[in-house]
Amino acid sequence: TQLLEQSPQFLSIQEGENLTVYCNSSSVFSSLQWYRQEPGEGPVLLVTVVTGGEVKKLKRLTFQFGDARKDSSLHITAAQPGDTGLYLCAGARAAGNKLTFGGGTRVLVKP
Amino acid sequence: DAGVTQSPTHLIKTRGQQVTLRCSPKSGHDTVSWYQQALGQGPQFIFQYYEEEERQRGNFPDRFSGHQFPNYSSELNVNALLLGDSALYLCASRTWDRENGYTFGSGTRLTVV
Repeated sequence: TQLLEQSPQFLSIQEGENLTVYCNSSSVFSSLQWYRQEPGEGPVLLVTVVTGGEVKKLKRLTFQFGDARKDSSLHITAAQPGDTGLYLCAGARAAGNKLTFGGGTRVLVKP
Repeated sequence: DAGVTQSPTHLIKTRGQQVTLRCSPKSGHDTVSWYQQALGQGPQFIFQYYEEEERQRGNFPDRFSGHQFPNYSSELNVNALLLGDSALYLCASRTWDRENGYTFGSGTRLTVV
């Protein structure tokens, strides 16, 4: 059983469209991270959110941490083919604790 | 500045054999964690090492063991390999006092036949 549930599992969109990926849990996390992983590579950290209600922006990517620190979302505006990859959310239950990953959302942006 | 280095990149082993995977952390990092990522799934935590001691362990059998050396590099050993051990094994490093500063390596792809 995944402690962190990601949805959707797969998303295929056209270049220029927007997309949102969700990461939900019944547990509270002290911090939550989003990673992007490309084939044959390890996950690359995109952002860390630690405060309930926190919103962080990274160019066309917007990350939000739920008020109760149980869920998070990743929104991509005007997606580009370079955004294609596996997006993973990962939470830590306490500072310095192990990361628990979601199952991932595979995003395909077609030109 | 080299990131996390893992070796080998690919490995094929037979059921019942033993395997050792290696990880050199990013320069300045002293804490190493290992994760197993099965095809199409998110990574699962195996264990974490700091100051040459196992600090946390995930839900993996005793066939999975590890070691950290004085230079902070680490090894993951798996005994009595099963077909289900086939996966991408990822090493992640950070400094002990920066809880969220993880850097992942590119992984070792292990295939058990």
